[in-house]
Amino acid sequence: GEDVEQSLFLSVREGDSSVINCTYTDSSSTYLYWYKQEPGAGLQLLTYIFSNMDMKQDQRLTVLLNKKDKHLSLRIADTQTGDSAIYFCALGDGGSQGNLIFGKGTKLSVKP
Amino acid sequence: DAGVIQSPRHEVTEMGQEVTLRCKPISGHNSLFWYRQTMMRGLELLIYFNNNVPIDDSGMPEDRFSAKMPNASFSTLKIQPSEPRDSAVYFCASTRGSAGDTQYFGPGTRLTVL
Repeated sequence: GEDVEQSLFLSVREGDSSVINCTYTDSSSTYLYWYKQEPGAGLQLLTYIFSNMDMKQDQRLTVLLNKKDKHLSLRIADTQTGDSAIYFCALGDGGSQGNLIFGKGTKLSVKP
Repeated sequence: DAGVIQSPRHEVTEMGQEVTLRCKPISGHNSLFWYRQTMMRGLELLIYFNNNVPIDDSGMPEDRFSAKMPNASFSTLKIQPSEPRDSAVYFCASTRGSAGDTQYFGPGTRLTVL
């Protein structure tokens, strides 16, 4: 089945850029997602990219997709302390019922 | 829309007791998912339903866990008997069920089994 891998931790200084990486094994997903989980809360959709796109930019967020290498990344520009959270990469399982395969999550710590 | 509603938000119980977690999905969503999150194992899919029918329950840890969805607006996850290793945050999520639709998560139920 689909396997989604992420590094577990990332630490950056406030104002720097953060890059969170994700690799996957199955390419059948039409959409690829980034979710954010703040402490004590559920996961919330942060952004997504359609599988026929290479890049998507949304304010401070840039998503890059390299389908050949099966690599997805999320770049956060000018990282703020409020960006401290766990970020999950997720892909559809290729079915029609909305099931997603999630990575383990990357905990981003932003130091002032 | 109120979003996905879960109750209770916190549950503390003693080992051996029955625990029932509840979820109300977003109106109009056809698929509902139960997840468990722990520090050690991360986010795990336990079971999901489509049009109230269980589709994949391969993530349910053992027979002590059961889930039902009697109608489109309500689901329960039951643990009987509960054990300390069941302590975790349990999330419910729902989606329209079409490819490409995102999942909307509830706030979670933090379960502590003493």
